[in-house]
This record gives sequence, structure tokens and C-alpha cells, in this order.
Amino acid sequence: GAVVSQHPSWVICKSGTSVKIECRSLDFQATTMFWYRQFPKQSLMLMATSNEGSKATYEQGVEKDKFLINHASLTLSTLTVTSAHPEDSSFYICATIPGQNTEAFFGQGTRLTVV
Amino acid sequence: DAKTTQPPSMDCAEGRAANLPCNHSTISGNEYVYWYRQIHSQGPQYIIHGLKNNETNEMASLIITEDRKSSTLILPHATLRDTAVYYCIVRENTDKLIFGTGTRLQVFP
Repeated sequence: GAVVSQHPSWVICKSGTSVKIECRSLDFQATTMFWYRQFPKQSLMLMATSNEGSKATYEQGVEKDKFLINHASLTLSTLTVTSAHPEDSSFYICATIPGQNTEAFFGQGTRLTVV
Repeated sequence: DAKTTQPPSMDCAEGRAANLPCNHSTISGNEYVYWYRQIHSQGPQYIIHGLKNNETNEMASLIITEDRKSSTLILPHATLRDTAVYYCIVRENTDKLIFGTGTRLQVFP
């Protein structure tokens, strides 16, 4: 079946640095990718929606200059956490829905720890 | 905001059926209901989805009321490995999946 490959699965970075998270759709094209963030013991919160070849749409309260999203091809979407701070430590997950009556395919998630 | 409300937690005995309710009273006519579960902060695992008719697959059954304002996920024979947080989600017309708080299902021996 369709698979979304997300990398890295975990990353530790220093405050002030930037971290890039990649999500690739394998064997299918993902025109839209959803990016979520999840804090411990909380639900997934939608951050933004990326569309291939156009600017991402951010949910209210999400800083677009801090969370840079690029969707340059039909198989790759990236999220870059810029100038990371400890409060950005979280679990980041991508997802895409290939069709109208299909399931959403989620990446494996990336656990980001900023020290 | 999420269009769904679920009880925060439920218990179920191993081997018994687990019935997880979900209310989605503001659902629109062409919006699907999806169920996912999450174990230990892994990526969400797909369970089942439906629009109007009841659905069944190898994992579960989905019962949607005629007015589509609520649904029930049924795990016919719960096992300890079914312990997880279960999310009922309405796929919006924008294709967004907005997660609610989910139901934490605890299956006990």
C-alpha cells in the first residue's frame, strides 16, 4: 500500500539551530501534505497544509516564518523548524490523503528535542 | 476546532467487544468519518472510515447513525494490544483531518 516515509525519526539539536524534517510519498504522488505537532499527552494539532508548487497554508497561531514548509515536488514535502527553542520540542508528523475515498497516510513521526 | 466529541477514556475486558462512541452533530453531507488510533506516540494507525453506510474490515466495524450525527467504532474481540488512544475524525471539505482529544481505551486481562 501507499507509504509516507518521514525522516529523521528523532533529532536532538541546540537552541538557535534549524532542523529540517522530510516526508516522502513512496509509489504515489502527494499533491497535499498536512503537518501536525503533538506535545506529550495531547492530541495532534494541525500546523499547516502544503501544496505542491504553491505556498503553504498555516493554521491560526502557527508562525510561518518559524516553521518553513516547502513542497517542491509531488513526492517530497519538508518542514524546517528555524531558530529552534526548547519549547519547540515536540513530535512532528506529516500526512497525506491520495484520494477522495481513501485513508490518510501518516509518516512515522519525528521526535524533536531542543537543548 | 474538531467536529467530534468522544469520551476521554473507556475500559474493556480482553476478548469482549469494545464499543467506542463519537458525536459529530455538525457533520456535512459529504464529509467522511475516519477512525485512527495511536499507540505510544507512534504515527496514527488507520482503522476504518465511512460516509453513510456501515463499514467492516479486518480490524473493526463502523456503525454510522442514519442522521450521521454520531458513530460507533466496534472492536469485536479486544486484545491487550488494542490499548491505545482512538481518534474519531471528520474529514472536512478542505480535506483537513482535525483531531479531537480522542478516547483512551484500556483493555484489561
